[in-house]
Order: sequence, then C-alpha cells, then structure tokens
Amino acid sequence: NAGVTQTPKFQVLKTGQSMTLQCAQDMNHNSMYWYRQDPGMGLRLIYYSASEGTTDKGEVPNGYNVSRLNKREFSLRLESAAPSQTSVYFCASSDSLREKLFFGSGTQLSVL
Amino acid sequence: ILNVEQSPQSLHVQEGDSTNFTCSFPSSNFYALHWYRWETAKSPEALFVMTLNGDEKKKGRISATLNTKEGYSYLYIKGSQPEDSATYLCAFNDYKLSFGAGTTVTVRA
Repeated sequence: NAGVTQTPKFQVLKTGQSMTLQCAQDMNHNSMYWYRQDPGMGLRLIYYSASEGTTDKGEVPNGYNVSRLNKREFSLRLESAAPSQTSVYFCASSDSLREKLFFGSGTQLSVL
Repeated sequence: ILNVEQSPQSLHVQEGDSTNFTCSFPSSNFYALHWYRWETAKSPEALFVMTLNGDEKKKGRISATLNTKEGYSYLYIKGSQPEDSATYLCAFNDYKLSFGAGTTVTVRA
C-alpha cells in the first residue's frame, strides 16, 4: 500500500527557476495538504484542498501555487524559486479536514 | 495564524524514566487536538486525535490527556525506551491543522 507518494525526493534549483512538486494518494482521501518544515518552526501549512475542486491558502502561501488535479493528486508549483523557499516539503492527505493526516516522505528542496 | 505552543522544546530522559510535555492551544473554535510522532529521516505519524474535554488516549507506553477549557494537552511516556526518541508534534484542529514546533525527546540508554 503506497499511501502518499511525493516526487521528487530531492531537488536543487537556481534562483528564478520554476518547478512542480507532485503528490498522489491512494487512500481515496478527500483532503490534501502541502506543508513546509523549517528548523525550529515545525510544519507550516502552505495550501490545502478540502475536497476535489477546491483549494485554500494556509499560513505561508506567498510564492506558491497549487492544483488539485483530481481526487488523487495535488501539486505544488514554485513559479520563480527564491532562496527563502529552501525547505523540506511534505504532502499529506486525510479523510476530511478534521481527521488525522497521512504524510508523504518529503521533498528536500534547495534554492541557490 | 494560530498560536500552538509546545514546551519544552527538547528534553533528555534516562532509559526507564517517565516524562511528559505540554501543548497549549487556543480554547475557542476547538474541534480536535492531534499528536504526531516524528522520527528522524521518516515522516510524521499520527498517535492520537482527541476531541472531547477530559479525553484520555493510550497507545502502549504513550498516553495523552486533553483540557479544552483551559487549552492544553499533555503527552506522557512511561518507562522511556531508546525507540521513543523522536519529535512529538501537536496540532490544533479548527477547520484545518496548525502545528506546534514540537518537543524533541532523546532517551539515553
């Protein structure tokens, strides 16, 4: 059972480059999330999707866009990467906004 | 931005000792309080989801209590073992989850 799958696991970008982080879940969950993890700051919510067809901003949405492609997939796009976006990114899913989260294995992103 | 605070930031425990730490959260618009365990090089995994004031949950040697009126939850580890070494995250759930920064527990053999 794959659970939540994130790709890529590692990425190095130059300032100004763009990229998309992919996330897919096979648990038929309705809600999906993107978090970033920075030292000493825990997990901060970037965007979330309560259900297919909806997306909402979290705590730190600036510089990011998301797409809920279908019920399984939720992608995160950096249009013009900045060094401040160097972080570990986690995708997660849950049955609803009020149920426990299942996390992917994370993407370590470095922006030079 | 919700203010979910965890204390202490880190603690060291001798193997076999018991320990506890705190999560404080807003007492308004409460739906649930989550606890996650996050081991190094892995992803966070859910321990408990607590919804009712006075709730107590237990999983093996780990247990948690919840006080929604005063806005705090305690996580207890009884008889700590090296495999309990991890960062423990709490998260406040109104209509989405907001995480605290975590308490990192190191169990010394």
